[in-house]
Amino acid sequence: GAGVSQSPSNKVTEKGKDVELRCDPISGHTALYWYRQSLGQGLEFLIYFQGNSAPDKSGLPSDRFSAERTGGSVSTLTIQRTQQEDSAVYLCASSLGGGTANYGYTFGSGTRLTVV
Amino acid sequence: KNEVEQSPQNLTAQEGEFITINCSYSVGISALHWLQQHPGGGIVSLFMLSSGKKKHGRLIATINIQEKHSSLHITASHPRDSAVYICADPPPGNQFYFGTGTSLTVIP
Repeated sequence: GAGVSQSPSNKVTEKGKDVELRCDPISGHTALYWYRQSLGQGLEFLIYFQGNSAPDKSGLPSDRFSAERTGGSVSTLTIQRTQQEDSAVYLCASSLGGGTANYGYTFGSGTRLTVV
Repeated sequence: KNEVEQSPQNLTAQEGEFITINCSYSVGISALHWLQQHPGGGIVSLFMLSSGKKKHGRLIATINIQEKHSSLHITASHPRDSAVYICADPPPGNQFYFGTGTSLTVIP
């Protein structure tokens, strides 16, 4: 597509439920990043995918968080047993190539997750 | 310690004013990214620059790699410029280092 597409745009879920957030990067972009932004806070790195390499999961806050990227394209971020502190905007970004500053980065519009 | 520091954190300006947002970083970088985030909106890339100056419309970004400092200027500011402006150190490495953001409000 023309941009990075994220779905849903908004998600309200009950505490303890599992949620799946989807990111569809720009076609051909090999690098994909997940970030989250809590209310009034800065951006927090979660996970990074680059091609077929093992993802960098160093930013995932707990083992309730996981992500996968199928076929080097679409990525799904899964949060199990959601907690209220998981409420945030989850942002996805993609780039033509990772590990270099020379490629432009495109961000999706985010998924606003509210855990009640 | 945040590798990327921005100032000011909050800025209110009258329409038409010239605005400057500063970004200082401690890590060695080859380029710096300026991003814009409107309330409730996604993030838009404004500039990525590694030296000198870039201009797009009323926006100007400058960087001094030796001094590890970058500035974003907005000329003839307008209420629609109201947003959070974020400087970021893009990869190499596996993640951005983001500044804390500058919240700009332009009053008509």
